[in-house]
Amino acid sequence: AQSVTQPDIHITVSEGASLELRCNYSYGATPYLFWYVQSPGQGLQLLLKYFSGDTLVQGIKGFEAEFKRSQSSFNLRKPSVHWSDAAEYFCAVGFFNKFYFGSGTKLNVKP
Amino acid sequence: EAQVTQNPRYLITVTGKKLTVTCSQNMNHEYMSWYRQDPGLGLRQIYYSMNVEVTDKGDVPEGYKVSRKEKRNFPLILESPSPNQTSLYFCASSLTDRLAYTDTQYFGPGTRLTVL
Repeated sequence: AQSVTQPDIHITVSEGASLELRCNYSYGATPYLFWYVQSPGQGLQLLLKYFSGDTLVQGIKGFEAEFKRSQSSFNLRKPSVHWSDAAEYFCAVGFFNKFYFGSGTKLNVKP
Repeated sequence: EAQVTQNPRYLITVTGKKLTVTCSQNMNHEYMSWYRQDPGLGLRQIYYSMNVEVTDKGDVPEGYKVSRKEKRNFPLILESPSPNQTSLYFCASSLTDRLAYTDTQYFGPGTRLTVL
């Protein structure tokens, strides 16, 4: 069965520190890959997406993600976290007409 | 302004009382979808629609119905709600490409449903 795994439920980082959120998926072919962010009480906003081509993709708010086919991973990174980045982050996979989301990683940012 | 709207935003109801959550988008998107979000489970797709009169099941369709009579609207119907359908529901829409792969989804603000 298709699945998207975000192994970290909660992550706490200090403001200004670097961040990496992990995402692994299990599919036979390369799906479409997305990272979304959800602020408290809000809907989801797209940070970035990967369909094909360069495996390092840039997104909004200074985020980037790298697709590694051999590891079936699509990890999200940011070199310097800001307090406003505190939110929940979801990795998602689009495979033909269906979407599958990970269970999310909640990011806390310490001052 | 491009947006996906949902109504109502909050709803408390009782077991068995039919309800409809509306979803509307103004971006002329072909693809629309419903999700439920539960703690620790992320978002799970309930139903999706590729275009008018074309709908299909997602991962958790049991207990839900949908219809797509107009391109802009995609209502979610719970004919006999039960407490296990208490959840946060999101509607989303997106364009599709010629291969029927869906692009970035735009999400509505969510509907918090409580079934007593």
